[in-house]
Amino acid sequence: QKEVEQDPGPLSVPEGAIVSLNCTYSNSAFQYFMWYRQYSRKGPELLMYTYSSGNKEDGRFTAQVDKSSKYISLFIRDSQPSDSATYLCAMSLMDGTDKLIFGTGTRLQVFP
Amino acid sequence: DVKVTQSSRYLVKRTGEKVFLECVQDMDHENMFWYRQDPGLGLRLIYFSYDVKMKEKGDIPEGYSVSREKKERFSLILESASTNQTSMYLCASSLPGQGLLSGANVLTFGAGSRLTVL
Repeated sequence: QKEVEQDPGPLSVPEGAIVSLNCTYSNSAFQYFMWYRQYSRKGPELLMYTYSSGNKEDGRFTAQVDKSSKYISLFIRDSQPSDSATYLCAMSLMDGTDKLIFGTGTRLQVFP
Repeated sequence: DVKVTQSSRYLVKRTGEKVFLECVQDMDHENMFWYRQDPGLGLRLIYFSYDVKMKEKGDIPEGYSVSREKKERFSLILESASTNQTSMYLCASSLPGQGLLSGANVLTFGAGSRLTVL
């Protein structure tokens, strides 16, 4: 079993839809939870992060962490074609190493 | 504005060749990382470094080595390339610290080097 599981998609939605991207994990010691966005032929870039459980909102994006269920989500409201990318969840133990464990990524396509 | 530069975007090499992948960052970050990215497997950590001349193995170090002679430069070396090393290689850097709340633990990635070994 992988430490972090993520549905690879692809996920195809019309412009304006609400998108839900999810990851599950097995290590209850993870403390930091991140979402990276990767456009085609580019490196990943940090989109959002949360510490421990709870929600965090940034514009059209909301990150949610449920540590009791070992489940994290990224919601995108009013999705745009420019949101088309691969979304990677990542987690950290915060043990001073800065090492991240990544999910496999979900490819999202938002069509006009 | 470019922060992490990977010198080669696309390489094609033959089995058995020695391959150097170079990475330079201009953010004065202490930490540097090499990942490989494969479909269905995501990003897997090969090696990382917390300081000059310091290196630590990641999850899949076999067949790779690294060099960090200067703070800004972290090189990945494939001593004898094999076809199963065909992949996208991503370099990243970060500041050390107390985690995201202090601005640390945020990896800045390069654009990647796509290596094909024939």
